[in-house]
Amino acid sequence: DQQVKQNSPSLSVQEGRISILNCDYTNSMFDYFLWYKKYPAEGPTFLISISSIKDKNEDGRFTVFLNKSAKHLSLHIVPSQPGDSAVYFCAASEAIYDMRFGAGTRLTVKP
Amino acid sequence: NAGVTQTPKFQVLKTGQSMTLQCAQDMNHNSMYWYRQDPGMGLRLIYYSASEGTTDKGEVPNGYNVSRLNKREFSLRLESAAPSQTSVYFCASRDRGVDQPQHFGDGTRLSIL
Repeated sequence: DQQVKQNSPSLSVQEGRISILNCDYTNSMFDYFLWYKKYPAEGPTFLISISSIKDKNEDGRFTVFLNKSAKHLSLHIVPSQPGDSAVYFCAASEAIYDMRFGAGTRLTVKP
Repeated sequence: NAGVTQTPKFQVLKTGQSMTLQCAQDMNHNSMYWYRQDPGMGLRLIYYSASEGTTDKGEVPNGYNVSRLNKREFSLRLESAAPSQTSVYFCASRDRGVDQPQHFGDGTRLSIL
């Protein structure tokens, strides 16, 4: 069973606008959440994370929001740039060695 | 500035053949991981090694074995490859601390005919 779900396989936005990527999870024991970005023929690279004791974390153009009651997190990219076009994976961790990934959302930012 | 290095990048096998995927990291990380990525499934953990000398099963370990050769190297072996093991395999390493992210290699694309 998929404990981390990204229900949108793809998202297309215009350059300069906001991109919102969503992620839902089912395991209430998850205590750390991460977003990874992946370009073709490369491995995923870490983008931003959030602890379960927080509801928001910001790093430049990237902000992650966590809603524990809804078991939902989202990644906001403002403003979106063509170089942001990639597959974004949401991940959640309960124990230090156990991390579950979503299926990914392919973001396309059009010039 | 290599990070995590995986070899080979591509491989085609016949059903029943054996194969070892190599992974090495130069960041002095204690923990190392093997994942497989399949369409619509995200990344699924096959095996991990919390520290040198230890290995444990992940979510999908059947059909695989691993060896943590030393702190730098963590290999994944397919003893008798099956078409269901066609996938992209990623190795990752991680420093101590629950807030530390994993660092991934660029993957091995494996096709089993």
